[in-house]
Parts: sequence; structure tokens; C-alpha cells
Amino acid sequence: DQQVKQNSPSLSVQEGRISILNCDYTNSMFDYFLWYKKYPAEGPTFLISISSIKDKNEDGRFTVFLNKSAKHLSLHIVPSQPGDSAVYFCAASPDPSGTYKYIFGTGTRLKVLA
Amino acid sequence: DAMVIQNPRYQVTQFGKPVTLSCSQTLNHNVMYWYQQKSSQAPKLLFHYYDKDFNNEADTPDNFQSRRPNTSFCFLDIRSPGLGDAAMYLCATSRTPNLAGYNEQFFGPGTRLTVL
Repeated sequence: DQQVKQNSPSLSVQEGRISILNCDYTNSMFDYFLWYKKYPAEGPTFLISISSIKDKNEDGRFTVFLNKSAKHLSLHIVPSQPGDSAVYFCAASPDPSGTYKYIFGTGTRLKVLA
Repeated sequence: DAMVIQNPRYQVTQFGKPVTLSCSQTLNHNVMYWYQQKSSQAPKLLFHYYDKDFNNEADTPDNFQSRRPNTSFCFLDIRSPGLGDAAMYLCATSRTPNLAGYNEQFFGPGTRLTVL
């Protein structure tokens, strides 16, 4: 039973436009959420995170929004660039203090078209 | 540059033949993780070490074992690989969570295991 879901396996966006990647979760105990980006032949790299005490976190072109009531988060990339083409994983932490475990989604492959 | 290194990047083994994957880190992180990722699936945590304390996930098969001889190195041993064990194996590290209870995991490039 998948607790973190990324229902769109792929997304194509024109360069310069906004990319919106979505993630849904089922466990209301999740307290901390991260987005990772993965290029081919490389490991995932941390992109941005948000804790449940916030509903928005911004870092340059990347913004993560959290809607706790809907158990939904989204990653916005504005403006999208060809170098953003990668697989994006959403991850959630069931217990941020004392345990170290994240549950990952299956990923969304973003393709930014030049 | 501080990093997480995995060797080899590609490993081919035969059905039932033991195989060891290695991970090393220069980040001096005290937590190390092993994940299994199959095609189009989410990375799945197999186990993690907090310093020398080993923490096995409940659904990790007994066929998978791990060793952490020191802070820098961690090994994944697959005692009798089956065809279903073919996957990407990712090693990750993190610091102890900060005061807010959060940590970020740093991943290696992975080892792709093929079982013939």
C-alpha cells in the first residue's frame, strides 16, 4: 500500500513555462516532506523540503506548497529550464525525531522542451 | 568534494552466487542507508545504520545483510541473489537529525545489479 503517490509518471513543459509536479500522501502523521531530483546515472539529489508547520517554502525557481488538509504537496518550477529535465521524487517522513526513515514516491519524469 | 561513492556502478552476478556492494562516504555522516529501487518504482529502504546500530526494515528479506566496519564504509551482502533481486541499489547518508528533528539524505550514484 503506497503511502506516497506521484500519479503522473511523466510531464512535458515548454522552456520558460511553469512546471507543477504533484504528490499525494495518505498518512496524516507525516511531518516533513522533501523533493529530490535525479539525473540518469546519478543518485537522487536533494532539492527542497517543507515541514508541516509551513504551507510554502521557496528557494530560487523552486517552490513547494503543502496542503495538509488535502494531504497534497506540489513542486513548482518557474521558469522551467532544459536542465531541469530529470526524474523528481517526493519523499515523506513518518517521524522526524528519533527515526531516519523516508517513504518515497515513484517519481515523475519532467521533460522541459527547448 | 565530500561525497557518497558506490562501487561497482554495474555488477553482474549469477543466480545464487553471493555478491557484495560497497558504499563509502567522505561526509562523516553517522547514518547510512541502503535502498533498493526497481524500474519505475519508488526507492525502498532495506536497512540503515545509526553509527553502529543496525536497523532492519521488517519486510527486508533475510537474503540481504549489511556490514558497517567503520563510519566511512557500509556493505550490502546478498547471500543468494535471485532474479527478483535485480535492481538499482542506492546508498545514502545523513547527519543525526537537527534540533527540529529533520535530516537530508545524500545519495550515491547507485549500483545496478543484474542477476543472470
